[in-house]
Amino acid sequence: NAGVMQNPRHLVRRRGQEARLRCSPMKGHSHVYWYRQLPEEGLKFMVYLQKENIIDESGMPKERFSAEFPKEGPSILRIQQVVRGDSAAYFCASSPDQNYGYTFGSGTRLTVV
Amino acid sequence: AQSVSQHNHHVILSEAASLELGCNYSYGGTVNLFWYVQYPGQHLQLLLKYFSGDPLVKGIKGFEAEFIKSKFSFNLRKPSVQWSDTAEYFCASDGSGNTGKLIFGQGTTLQVKP
Repeated sequence: NAGVMQNPRHLVRRRGQEARLRCSPMKGHSHVYWYRQLPEEGLKFMVYLQKENIIDESGMPKERFSAEFPKEGPSILRIQQVVRGDSAAYFCASSPDQNYGYTFGSGTRLTVV
Repeated sequence: AQSVSQHNHHVILSEAASLELGCNYSYGGTVNLFWYVQYPGQHLQLLLKYFSGDPLVKGIKGFEAEFIKSKFSFNLRKPSVQWSDTAEYFCASDGSGNTGKLIFGQGTTLQVKP
């Protein structure tokens, strides 16, 4: 059973470009969480999704960031018009329910140049 | 706002030394607590968790943590560290109910010298 797969592992974007981060949850997991880790900081919650629904997006910046978890395919975290401050590691986690059976992916390290 | 703080940002120990990493949380209600470890280049793995019951929780790889409600603390301990314990350690809590949303501390980097 493959773990949570995130791709790409490293992503470099120029300021103003779009970044798309993908997360394929573990088989049988319908809950997906995205976290961001800025340099020298802990992980910060961004968004919690179930299939086709955003459950909690209280940690998402109001502009430029969006997330989806379609019926088919991976969850996507999309950052439009990236700025240098978006440079961070983005982690995805999945669980079969809300009882904290989290499994984390290896993360995507976004660098904005 | 709920918060989790880890006192030590960077800890250096020799092999066989004892380890204690501090963690304090701010939420006063029912709280679930976790310790995660991230080995270099790998994903976060759950070391142990506390939901209720015995405040002394045993996890994988010889780690344990003690929940002290009066001190709002959940410190991680290991009697004798190994070089392979070199990693970053994160404390996390959820005091807001069954949402799955975790609040993480800023992490502690542990370096174990052989």
